[in-house]
Amino acid sequence: SQQGEEDPQALSIQEGENATMNCSYKTSINNLQWYRQNSGRGLVHLILIRSNEREKHSGRLRVTLDTSKKSSSLLITASRAADTASYFCATDRKGGSEKLVFGKGTKLTVNP
Amino acid sequence: DSGVTQTPKHLITATGQRVTLRCSPRSGDLSVYWYQQSLDQGLQFLIQYYNGEERAKGNILERFSAQQFPDLHSELNLSSLELGDSALYFCASSVAATSGRTDTQYFGPGTRLTVL
Repeated sequence: SQQGEEDPQALSIQEGENATMNCSYKTSINNLQWYRQNSGRGLVHLILIRSNEREKHSGRLRVTLDTSKKSSSLLITASRAADTASYFCATDRKGGSEKLVFGKGTKLTVNP
Repeated sequence: DSGVTQTPKHLITATGQRVTLRCSPRSGDLSVYWYQQSLDQGLQFLIQYYNGEERAKGNILERFSAQQFPDLHSELNLSSLELGDSALYFCASSVAATSGRTDTQYFGPGTRLTVL
């Protein structure tokens, strides 16, 4: 079963707007990662946030983690058409192996 | 470019056949992971190897097997193929297996398997 569940399943915005995607998970984790996947291509690692961190930034990306609510959000600011992709959160279970459990993803479309 | 390579990029075969997918991890990475991505199941973890040894197993069918060689490249063998095995198969690698703590995993471009 999926550990992470992204919300919304699909998001369509205009270029320049901000995009926010949410991820909820079920068990205690060591860290949470966000990945991007362009249609049918490989996954590109965006950012990793550890369970003892609350917020992390990387360029136009901002990730928050709330372990009490078992949720995370990914904010992309000033979106561009090139940000069009599917975004996945992935978690590893605390006390488990290093395998990642992925959600089903949010499909983001940025319209020029 | 993640530094992880996978061959072949595309594979078309018939039901009942056997195929081998190959993965070369990033230089210096000791852990290799295999994932399957299908439309209905999403991204599913199959198996992990660390420095030649199997480390974790996920939803991998008995018809599937994998190994990691001394040069750290890995192969995923899929046999008695069924229509439902059609999917994208990804390999990922990470620096090390730190027990209970995951490093960033870097994904290859994937192999698209089509079973006819």
